[in-house]
Amino acid sequence: DTEVTQTPKHLVMGMTNKKSLKCEQHMGHRAMYWYKQKAKKPPELMFVYSYEKLSINESVPSRFSPECPNSSLLNLHLHALQPEDSALYLCASSPPSGANTEAFFGQGTRLTVV
Amino acid sequence: AQSVAQPEDQVNVAEGNPLTVKCTYSVSGNPYLFWYVQYPNRGLQFLLKYITGDNLVKGSYGFEAEFNKSQTSFHLKKPSALVSDSALYFCAVRDTGFQKLVFGTGTRLLVSP
Repeated sequence: DTEVTQTPKHLVMGMTNKKSLKCEQHMGHRAMYWYKQKAKKPPELMFVYSYEKLSINESVPSRFSPECPNSSLLNLHLHALQPEDSALYLCASSPPSGANTEAFFGQGTRLTVV
Repeated sequence: AQSVAQPEDQVNVAEGNPLTVKCTYSVSGNPYLFWYVQYPNRGLQFLLKYITGDNLVKGSYGFEAEFNKSQTSFHLKKPSALVSDSALYFCAVRDTGFQKLVFGTGTRLLVSP
């Protein structure tokens, strides 16, 4: 199984809503990532979890809250988002941090904030 | 900090012709370089990587990349383009500390029939 599964595929939420994005992998990877991608732009790193501990937060606003309940799951909790947060949110995983490891990406969640 | 540059926003090629998508890198130390492809409204798919060894790296779907240390380049190539190769291509490099991938700005490849 070389898949990273993200749910939901699409999400529309109001600025006062609370929602969560979910990501799951069963490849035994111990590094998991959240990226944000705006249209026609490269993915921008948001968070990195290594062995279920947050290791990188790229100065992301607190309205985004990551969680890694176990080695297979990664969540991104959303609260009080702004329309400019609308984007494709990508989850990725890779073997424990190392130079020669590629990251495997999920299909993404297309988020629209209204 | 490690970085990659993709100088072309778009590359146009006719089906059956060879294609090249350019990437140059700037790193301190050894470069660890990757190519990904993204189809519309989809995630990124890994194509190939250079870590060490042969300068010509073969990857998925008939793609290959040539690592050139003197020119600090890692261009993606394919001998014969397919219409289905039309997509957005990203070059990436492992940052120092190896915890994150840093992406180039992307190159849109358009293969015409």
